[in-house]
Amino acid sequence: EDQVTQSPEALRLQEGESSSLNCSYTVSGLRGLFWYRQDPGKGPEFLFTLYSAGEEKEKERLKATLTKKESFLHITAPKPEDSATYLCAVHPQGGSEKLVFGKGMKLTVNP
Amino acid sequence: GAGVSQSPRYKVAKRGQDVALRCDPISGHVSLFWYQQALGQGPEFLTYFQNEAQLDKSGLPSDRFFAERPEGSVSTLKIQRTQQEDSAVYLCAVRKLMNTEAFFGQGTRLTVV
Repeated sequence: EDQVTQSPEALRLQEGESSSLNCSYTVSGLRGLFWYRQDPGKGPEFLFTLYSAGEEKEKERLKATLTKKESFLHITAPKPEDSATYLCAVHPQGGSEKLVFGKGMKLTVNP
Repeated sequence: GAGVSQSPRYKVAKRGQDVALRCDPISGHVSLFWYQQALGQGPEFLTYFQNEAQLDKSGLPSDRFFAERPEGSVSTLKIQRTQQEDSAVYLCAVRKLMNTEAFFGQGTRLTVV
């Protein structure tokens, strides 16, 4: 069964304190791994897609990396506006087009 | 979210009532998905359309759930005889091309009382 596990479930950082969020996955084959940001009361907002091990993508203070078993979302010098829930999802090989999501990681950045 | 509008934003239904949730994508989105998100959880897949064809409905939790997209644009998710466990946020997502990112709407928060 395809599974996605995110850790930690919640994280509190001080402004400027860099950290990494982990997403480990178990799939029979990977077509893509996606990171989304979700603010309270809103739908998930797309951040990154990674397709193969070794790939990296960056956007402002965020950098996503991918290995064969996990992905990391690195947050450098976070600001309070980076506070949100970060969701990781995989698109498994096979006939289905569905994404399998983790439970999410709630990040709080204190000023 | 970019490219898709959902209505209503909030819906309160009495147990046993039928509800209909609407997803209205901008044109050009071939793929359309419905997800269910319980409080504190990640979204869970319900069903998938490619144009008007419903290609995957493996995530629908019971035969009380029904989705349609008759003209390959607007989609409706219908829940019959709502139960308390149906309370969740229902998210619609669209995608232009295969194997690319999906863009989500704001969701409909359904509360069954």
